[in-house]
Amino acid sequence: DIQMTQSPASLSASLEEIVTITCQASQDIGNWLSWYQQKPGKSPQLLIYGATSLADGVPSRFSGSRSGTQYSLKISRLQVEDIGIYYCLQAYSAPPTFGGGTKLELK
Amino acid sequence: EVKLVESGGGLVQPGRSLKLSCAASGFSFNDYWMGWVRQAPGKGLEWIGEINQDSSTINYTPSLKDKFTISRDNAQNTLYLQMSKLGSEDTAIYYCARGRSLAYWGQGTLVTVSS
Repeated sequence: DIQMTQSPASLSASLEEIVTITCQASQDIGNWLSWYQQKPGKSPQLLIYGATSLADGVPSRFSGSRSGTQYSLKISRLQVEDIGIYYCLQAYSAPPTFGGGTKLELK
Repeated sequence: EVKLVESGGGLVQPGRSLKLSCAASGFSFNDYWMGWVRQAPGKGLEWIGEINQDSSTINYTPSLKDKFTISRDNAQNTLYLQMSKLGSEDTAIYYCARGRSLAYWGQGTLVTVSS
């Protein structure tokens, strides 16, 4: 199975701050990478697919990028409603595998 | 509006079976792959498996392949997850999701395996 190493495991940031979360794939996965946000007590929601494409209805402060086998999710100006846990998912190779998650909190 | 509603969860004894359902509405169900993901209490997400539009292709995560069976009824717009030989490690919230990109998720149904 492809391993997705997500970092950091937890992150504390201030409002309006730039936040970056990364996922390192254990091998090439092309652009088969998605990002999900899970707010407390809620189901996950798709933010980014194809490594860089914004899902419908997702604010433009979210963006995804790729450098080789490292993938990043950037929140340009952190808002209160962005608090939650973020997961990456690779769907290049079966079975799809999630990263371990990043818990984002307000400082 | 895309809506996915899971049901069938609850308390089940170890070794028993349980079948979950996911009722879909707001989109053309038979046009999409569908999948199941679970989340143990306080833990991360685990992909269980997926099924294509006409049920001709069903993929599972290897560790669950012998315990879980995914099926669908396109006439009823419903996805199913049959779980057997349940153990405490299967205690989790079970989510269904639309598409291989998991673009839309249901609210989940909690399965608790305990005697």
